[in-house]
Amino acid sequence: TQLLEQSPQFLSIQEGENLTVYCNSSSVFSSLQWYRQEPGEGPVLLVTVVTGGEVKKLKRLTFQFGDARKDSSLHITAAQPGDTGLYLCLGLRAGNNRKLIWGLGTSLAVNP
Amino acid sequence: DVKVTQSSRYLVKRTGEKVFLECVQDMDHENMFWYRQDPGLGLRLIYFSYDVKMKEKGDIPEGYSVSREKKERFSLILESASTNQTSMYLCASSLARLRVTEAFFGQGTRLTVV
Repeated sequence: TQLLEQSPQFLSIQEGENLTVYCNSSSVFSSLQWYRQEPGEGPVLLVTVVTGGEVKKLKRLTFQFGDARKDSSLHITAAQPGDTGLYLCLGLRAGNNRKLIWGLGTSLAVNP
Repeated sequence: DVKVTQSSRYLVKRTGEKVFLECVQDMDHENMFWYRQDPGLGLRLIYFSYDVKMKEKGDIPEGYSVSREKKERFSLILESASTNQTSMYLCASSLARLRVTEAFFGQGTRLTVV
């Protein structure tokens, strides 16, 4: 059972297009992080969201944490080839059974 | 610049060999993690350590052991390598395990067991 569903699994778009990646769960999370992993490298943290409804912007990337803290989205505006990579979400499950849970990732290819 | 360094980028080992994967971090982090990453399965936690000589099993510890004799070093040991352990292995460190902190990853070791 995948507790943090990430979609889409694969995405191939042209430079300049917009896209949105989703992380969804039936569980509530204390916090959620987004990482990007480039080929041959380890994941690198992009953002951490902790408050329901929170929106954070990082240049052309916009991150949102759902009001109920069960889901999150990553929106990229005017994608560039340098955005190519694997995008991973990591949630810290809330409550007594706290645990770090990874999504399976979204592999993004931005074609010039 | 903070750094997590894994000893090898690529390794090829034979079935039955004992394999050591080394990881060193220079950030004085309490917590260190070993993951394996496989297509379609994401990152799966093998073991983690929250202090020197302390370790806890992750989701897939079978066939693996770990050692943390010094705070900066966390080793993953494959006691008897098998072909189903062919994978990308990622080491990470963080200030805290169950708080909102950044995890820093090494570059990964791609292990092939033949």
